[in-house]
Amino acid sequence: LAKTTQPISMDSYEGQEVNITCSHNNIATNDYITWYQQFPSQGPRFIIQGYKTKVTNEVASLFIPADRKSSTLSLPRVSLSDTAVYYCLVVVSSNTGKLIFGQGTTLQVKP
Amino acid sequence: GAVVSQHPSRVICKSGTSVKIECRSLDFQATTMFWYRQFPKKSLMLMATSNEGSKATYEQGVEKDKFLINHASLTLSTLTVTSAHPEDSSFYICSARDLQIGDTQYFGPGTRLTVL
Repeated sequence: LAKTTQPISMDSYEGQEVNITCSHNNIATNDYITWYQQFPSQGPRFIIQGYKTKVTNEVASLFIPADRKSSTLSLPRVSLSDTAVYYCLVVVSSNTGKLIFGQGTTLQVKP
Repeated sequence: GAVVSQHPSRVICKSGTSVKIECRSLDFQATTMFWYRQFPKKSLMLMATSNEGSKATYEQGVEKDKFLINHASLTLSTLTVTSAHPEDSSFYICSARDLQIGDTQYFGPGTRLTVL
């Protein structure tokens, strides 16, 4: 399973755009990238997933360069309620689909 | 979006008793479900993969006789913590794999287990 590396923590202010970058240097051809958000004492919430280039939904955007060795989760205009832990994971679609969580990025949004 | 429920949300039990946690996919069928545990301020740790109609696959270091998993239907998986001890106190989270929508995993809200 491809290992991911992301910053342990980030600080931001309300209204700013936040970009969290994740590196996954040994991602394989059929793997894809998925991001989750987790609040304390809750299960992770799916945010977005993608294979290449750019994916956008109502919550976030995901940018994946051509070499796919990294990805960037972009959260537009964050609010205090976006304070959470964000996990980047690489999924091997051909296997059982199990996810191995890394340490995640703790995002603290300040007023 | 896909919804996964867990029951109970929290449970307190005495040492030596067994506790069953249910995980249900409410609006999709899941041939594969997963069980995780999470300690305070730590990341999720995968315990086992639950496959409908077959035996669960446990991660290294997870005692299969301690954590019994049953996946009897396409919408229900159960985790039974047998002879619970205080060190089993943790936050247990399940997820269900939805193959119909881009192979995405959806997580339950978690179950807080406290063993006295």
